[in-house]
Amino acid sequence: QVQLHESGPGLVKPSEILSLTCSVSGGSMTDLHWSWIRQRPGEGLEWIGQIHYSGNTLYNPSLKSRVIISLDRPNNQLSLQLNSVTATDTAVYYCARHVAAIYPAFDNWGQGTLVTVSS
Amino acid sequence: EVVLTQSPGTLSLSPGERATLSCRASESLNGRFLAWYQQKPGQAPRLVMFGANRRAIDIPDRFSGGGSGTDFTLTITRLEPEDFAVYYCQLYRTTGLPGYSFGQGTRLEIK
Repeated sequence: QVQLHESGPGLVKPSEILSLTCSVSGGSMTDLHWSWIRQRPGEGLEWIGQIHYSGNTLYNPSLKSRVIISLDRPNNQLSLQLNSVTATDTAVYYCARHVAAIYPAFDNWGQGTLVTVSS
Repeated sequence: EVVLTQSPGTLSLSPGERATLSCRASESLNGRFLAWYQQKPGQAPRLVMFGANRRAIDIPDRFSGGGSGTDFTLTITRLEPEDFAVYYCQLYRTTGLPGYSFGQGTRLEIK
């Protein structure tokens, strides 16, 4: 069974770069889309962006200027880079696998990792 | 941009009762692009329905989804204790700026 696991610093200073990695085990990343989604404390879900195995990306317009999502195919990992963070970027960050191109939904999620932006 | 509005904000029911959760879109959308998630405290969301009415793997048949156009519903017949959670609907936008949006959630709590 495919498992996703997020990792990265739990504390980032304002104006710095948030970098997270999602490791995918138990299955292939081939021909699928993968997304990053976040949830601020006590709030709802916000989609950050997605990447296809081919490398094509799509970002949330509200975050597009600060986000880079990339793939490390040999190591079965995807990465998130969010620049110039502020306190409003404090959230639990999830990576997720898409069901299929014809059904845009997320069927497999990591457990999430809390990132706090604070000096 | 298409906005999803979920109602009610909180639904208080007892085990064994029937729950009907609503998700209304500000514009008509293809049901293929509508999904529902369940989230329990401290856990990641779990896909419940995709394509508006297709149950995800391991989701019991007391869960059903329906609707079209701008109005979609998630129905849970005969609530079990493990069903009490927050439920989010989600759409994929194909017009304007493509991407994904979530509703604000409905909290299903034990009465």
